[in-house]
Amino acid sequence: DQQVKQNSPSLSVQEGRISILNCDYTNSMFDYFLWYKKYPAEGPTFLISISSIKDKNEDGRFTVFLNKSAKHLSLHIVPSQPGDSAVYFCAASEWSGGSQGNLIFGKGTKLSVKP
Amino acid sequence: GAVVSQHPSWVICKSGTSVKIECRSLDFQATTMFWYRQFPKQSLMLMATSNEGSKATYEQGVEKDKFLINHASLTLSTLTVTSAHPEDSSFYICSAGSGTGSSYEQYFGPGTRLTVT
Repeated sequence: DQQVKQNSPSLSVQEGRISILNCDYTNSMFDYFLWYKKYPAEGPTFLISISSIKDKNEDGRFTVFLNKSAKHLSLHIVPSQPGDSAVYFCAASEWSGGSQGNLIFGKGTKLSVKP
Repeated sequence: GAVVSQHPSWVICKSGTSVKIECRSLDFQATTMFWYRQFPKQSLMLMATSNEGSKATYEQGVEKDKFLINHASLTLSTLTVTSAHPEDSSFYICSAGSGTGSSYEQYFGPGTRLTVT
């Protein structure tokens, strides 16, 4: 059973507009969430994270929103740029046994930003 | 941010041979390293968690005798694919954990493309 779900396999956005990538999770014990960006044949690159004690975290053009009651988080990219075109992975983990647990990844959403 | 390197970045080997992939944390010590595998158009699949000085913990369905993991030091973990088969062809990515609590971060290596002929 998938604990982290990204239901949109792809998203196409015009340059300059907002990109919204969504992620849902089922495990209420998750307390830390991260977004990664991945280009083909490369390792994922960390973008932004959020702890479960917050509902929003902002870093430049990237903002992550967390809705714990809905078990939903989203990544907003404003304004979108062609260089943002990549696959975005949502990941979650829980603090357990004195350490941060393994990251559980969603299947990813391929973002295409058109000039 | 912290840097994790992998070597080699790509490798081609023949069926039946073994291949070793190295993962190094270059500027921090990582007590825990993770090995992932990515199939085309699929998410990253965790294969195993490697703790320095102890045996790796393998995920269900991952053959520990086929994918040998060694975490010899706080900066080096190795994955050896033994008796490789064409179905082992994939993109293998390692990552290393650093920090605790809300400052925890997991840094990924650039990945290794393995092709078994």
